[in-house]
Amino acid sequence: DAEITQSPRHKITETGRQVTLACHQTWNHNNMFWYRQDLGHGLRLIHYSYGVHDTNKGEVSDGYSVSRSNTEDLPLTLESAASSQTSVYFCASRGTGAGNTGELFFGEGSRLTVL
Amino acid sequence: GDSVTQMEGPVTLSEEAFLTINCTYTATGYPSLFWYVQYPGEGLQLLLKATKADDKGSNKGFEATYRKETTSFHLEKGSVQVSDSAVYFCALSAIIYNQGGKLIFGQGTELSVKP
Repeated sequence: DAEITQSPRHKITETGRQVTLACHQTWNHNNMFWYRQDLGHGLRLIHYSYGVHDTNKGEVSDGYSVSRSNTEDLPLTLESAASSQTSVYFCASRGTGAGNTGELFFGEGSRLTVL
Repeated sequence: GDSVTQMEGPVTLSEEAFLTINCTYTATGYPSLFWYVQYPGEGLQLLLKATKADDKGSNKGFEATYRKETTSFHLEKGSVQVSDSAVYFCALSAIIYNQGGKLIFGQGTELSVKP
């Protein structure tokens, strides 16, 4: 079965370290998204991509970067982790074309703690 | 810009009670509307969706009707069960140039059902 997987599921790091969260989907979806989930804020969009070599900033992109070198993967990098980036991160993907209604398929999340 | 507003939680109900979670939206154009559910420790799953005005989405006993005149998409269930305890997210997606669009989420409403 096609799926979307995130790794690591849990990570503890120190302030100032670089961290990369991986996201891999096997649906061959063009669209991929990274959200963070924080109490009281729901899900907020960090970065998104509509296809290979395409990346766009979301509403909370400062301190994060992404790259899209193939269809399957959209890694999220925190260049210099800060305590404010302690959160649960969700990757999602979506197909496009005829019949697309905007539904996203989510990974199980990556819980990041920055000490 | 586009936005989604949900009633605040947590909502606590007894088993077999009637559930309503209010959701209103602001959007230009004609978005698709969604309800996602998040069970403890898991990612988000699509619960139901509606793609045009007056459409009714339904799944697992839950229903929501796309009301363009009131810009609402309230979630209802006639008789909740303990297993319905979860966080519910209302979301919208405006399809742009057949690329899909960003999915914008409400804050989430936590539902707790007591036996």
